[in-house]
Amino acid sequence: KQEVTQIPAALSVPEGENLVLNCSFTDSAIYNLQWFRQDPGKGLTSLLLIQSSQREQTSGRLNASLDKSSGRSTLYIAASQPGDSATYLCAVRPHRGSTLGRLYFGRGTQLTVWP
Amino acid sequence: GAGVSQSPSNKVTEKGKDVELRCDPISGHTALYWYRQRLGQGLEFLIYFQGNSAPDKSGLPSDRFSAERTGESVSTLTIQRTQQEDSAVYLCASSLDDSEQYFGPGTRLTVT
Repeated sequence: KQEVTQIPAALSVPEGENLVLNCSFTDSAIYNLQWFRQDPGKGLTSLLLIQSSQREQTSGRLNASLDKSSGRSTLYIAASQPGDSATYLCAVRPHRGSTLGRLYFGRGTQLTVWP
Repeated sequence: GAGVSQSPSNKVTEKGKDVELRCDPISGHTALYWYRQRLGQGLEFLIYFQGNSAPDKSGLPSDRFSAERTGESVSTLTIQRTQQEDSAVYLCASSLDDSEQYFGPGTRLTVT
């Protein structure tokens, strides 16, 4: 069974810092990996999707990397802003098979960026 | 364009009552998923639809939970004889085949 772990569970930083959020997964046979952000009381917003054949994806100040063989992904946030404060979730989708479709989620990293 | 929508946004019900939660996926998305998030916990997978069929129901916690999808669009998650432990935010997501999953805002269910 796939298990996803995110470290750290919480992070509090001053505005302007560059951040790295970590995600690890136990089964390297994944189809893709997705990073989400969740604001309090809200649903999930997709940030980046990395296919298993890719090494990284970038969107604005966000960069996500994937090392499938070691079961790791990192989300890099450059020049953090207070508006980045949210919970960041990592989720993996298993390789095609009987459980096609579902995502396995980590517990998230709760990020606070203070002015 | 329109995203995934869910209704109601909030539902308070008494223990033992039945509830129905609705999800409208993004138009054209063939895959639809239900997850739930209990307070302070991670997201739990409930059920996955590909078209109208459900190849993966492994996450449904008991036979009080059921879901259906009609016309490759709307899905309804039904919880019978609700219990307090069913209190959670129920999230629906849709995707175009194997691509990125897009989530709705969720339904917050409170069982009193």
